[in-house]
Amino acid sequence: DGGITQSPKYLFRKEGQNVTLSCEQNLNHDAMYWYRQDPGQGLRLIYYSQIVNDFQKGDIAEGYSVSREKKESFPLTVTSAQKNPTAFYLCASYRGPRYGYTFGSGTRLTVV
Amino acid sequence: RKEVEQDPGPFNVPEGATVAFNCTYSNSASQSFFWYRQDCRKEPKLLMSVYSSGNEDGRFTAQLNRASQYISLLIRDSKLSDSATYLCVVNIRDNFNKFYFGSGTKLNVKP
Repeated sequence: DGGITQSPKYLFRKEGQNVTLSCEQNLNHDAMYWYRQDPGQGLRLIYYSQIVNDFQKGDIAEGYSVSREKKESFPLTVTSAQKNPTAFYLCASYRGPRYGYTFGSGTRLTVV
Repeated sequence: RKEVEQDPGPFNVPEGATVAFNCTYSNSASQSFFWYRQDCRKEPKLLMSVYSSGNEDGRFTAQLNRASQYISLLIRDSKLSDSATYLCVVNIRDNFNKFYFGSGTKLNVKP
């Protein structure tokens, strides 16, 4: 079955450490997105990519970086510059105007 | 002002009840509208798209009012399994497909 795979499911980061969240899709979708969700809040866009080798900052890109070297892969790095990284991170791809997004199952990041 | 606003709830209803959620959006250029369902600690999943003429999928009915810029979701004959957070999502097509999410309305269906 096609879908989006995010790993790991849970991630613990020490202060000052960079961590990378994986997002892989086999849906052949061009556009991919990273969102962050905090308790009681809506999803906020971190980065998005419309095609390979191109990506753009979203609304809260500070402290994050991405790459898009392959159509299938859109990893997110949470750098030490992100001061409050504890959140639920969701990767998505665009299915089309009728179906919106498909989401991965998410990565829950906690700073320890 | 937020792009998409929803009543956070929670809405606590008995099984079998009918419940309605509303959502307002601020950008009149919005083009596509959706309701997503999110279970606790899970990813959002598409419940239904919302069409201009309104649409129904079983016990769920979605309506769009472009003039007033609001979207509604009606759930009839609520089931325990309907307990979740319902996210209103709006697509604004500028130079790319950007989706704006409401913060969600929590529904608790009680026996």
